[in-house]
Amino acid sequence: AQKVTQAQTEISVVEKEDVTLDCVYETRDTTYYLFWYKQPPSGELVFLIRRNSFDEQNEISGRYSWNFQKSTSSFNFTITASQVVDSAVYFCALSETNYGGSQGNLIFGKGTKLSVKP
Amino acid sequence: ETGVTQTPRHLVMGMTNKKSLKCEQHLGHNAMYWYKQSAKKPLELMFVYSLEERVENNSVPSRFSPECPNSSHLFLHLHTLQPEDSALYLCASSQDKGDSPLHFGNGTRLTVT
Repeated sequence: AQKVTQAQTEISVVEKEDVTLDCVYETRDTTYYLFWYKQPPSGELVFLIRRNSFDEQNEISGRYSWNFQKSTSSFNFTITASQVVDSAVYFCALSETNYGGSQGNLIFGKGTKLSVKP
Repeated sequence: ETGVTQTPRHLVMGMTNKKSLKCEQHLGHNAMYWYKQSAKKPLELMFVYSLEERVENNSVPSRFSPECPNSSHLFLHLHTLQPEDSALYLCASSQDKGDSPLHFGNGTRLTVT
């Protein structure tokens, strides 16, 4: 069965601290995609990053970085020098290969609520 | 307008009411989705439309009825809901290829009394 686990329900840090959000996934597929989304208090989920299962290179985008480890089925997300505006719920998600021509069933973790205090 | 727009933002309805949620996307995408977000539960995919045809229906009760008249519009018709249906309902769109990310609307916060 496909599953995404975000073990950290809530994390609270002080501004400028680094924070890592964990994501562990399970799938039987050899081809799949991993995503991170951010949900600020306004409600909409904002796409942050997509990774396919054949690309294990880590990625850095400004203060954000992602560590994909296929051997441990993990796709962790680190925010460096956190800011108050980073406060949101962050979701990790898994998508398998195309289903009916569409993206298919995007399986979300339960999310990690990050609070960054000034 | 750009992106994915959902109306209304908030909706309170009784169990005997009939209402509809509306979603509109201005991104030129050809797949649209309804997700349900309840407290303390993962986001649940409800329906997927690709090229205006329904391709996914995740055992959703018949009191939820989707409609996709064209690739830019998606509706969720609601009737005789239960209090446990209270949740945030999120619409999303994407291009129908496996690695295309979803673009979400702000959601409709539904309360069933």
